[in-house]
Amino acid sequence: DAGVIQSPRHEVTEMGQEVTLRCKPISGHNSLFWYRQTMMRGLELLIYFNNNVPIDDSGMPEDRFSAKMPNASFSTLKIQPSEPRDSAVYFCASSLEVDIYGTDTQYFGPGTRLTVL
Amino acid sequence: AQSVTQLGSHVSVSEGALVLLRCNYSSSVPPYLFWYVQYPNQGLQLLLKYTTGATLVKGINGFEAEFKKSETSFHLTKPSAHMSDAAEYFCAVSENGWNYGGSQGNLIFGKGTKLSVKP
Repeated sequence: DAGVIQSPRHEVTEMGQEVTLRCKPISGHNSLFWYRQTMMRGLELLIYFNNNVPIDDSGMPEDRFSAKMPNASFSTLKIQPSEPRDSAVYFCASSLEVDIYGTDTQYFGPGTRLTVL
Repeated sequence: AQSVTQLGSHVSVSEGALVLLRCNYSSSVPPYLFWYVQYPNQGLQLLLKYTTGATLVKGINGFEAEFKKSETSFHLTKPSAHMSDAAEYFCAVSENGWNYGGSQGNLIFGKGTKLSVKP
């Protein structure tokens, strides 16, 4: 399997522009997670989906952020308008469905490094 | 709610020395526990995990971790550090599944420990 695929790997944009990050989870996985990582705040969960349905979006910083999962093989994270404080590495991860005890291993993509000037 | 505490944001060891990275968790039910490693400019990669069964878990690159329920700990060890082990290490605990009043599954990550290896 190719693993979790993210695009683009690097994105440089100017403040106020719309940014769209893309993720293709591992085939057969039905949970998908979006994380943000910065030096100051570390690794933060933004939102996660199970069977294409958003389960918990409490980590989404504000209304400028939105995420969709139109089908099992694709998800987007959109920032509109972008601001310099959104500069970070954004990771997508996927996993198999949980059992009664909890979740299984999350497999991470390589990340998208976003720089907002 | 579950939480994960990693003691020490930075740990430095000499090459060949023992590596010990500490992780304590809080969970009211038997958790799944994970250690991930992140090399510079890369995503997180699973090192090892504990779900059920043997409490001493062996992972990749010579790492192992022991689940101690009485101490609510899952410390990561490696007998002899190598320069290539320099990375950031994250401990994580699974959020409880539906049967334990949780949601549909998430991992709670610690804040990470950066491991430096001196020659």
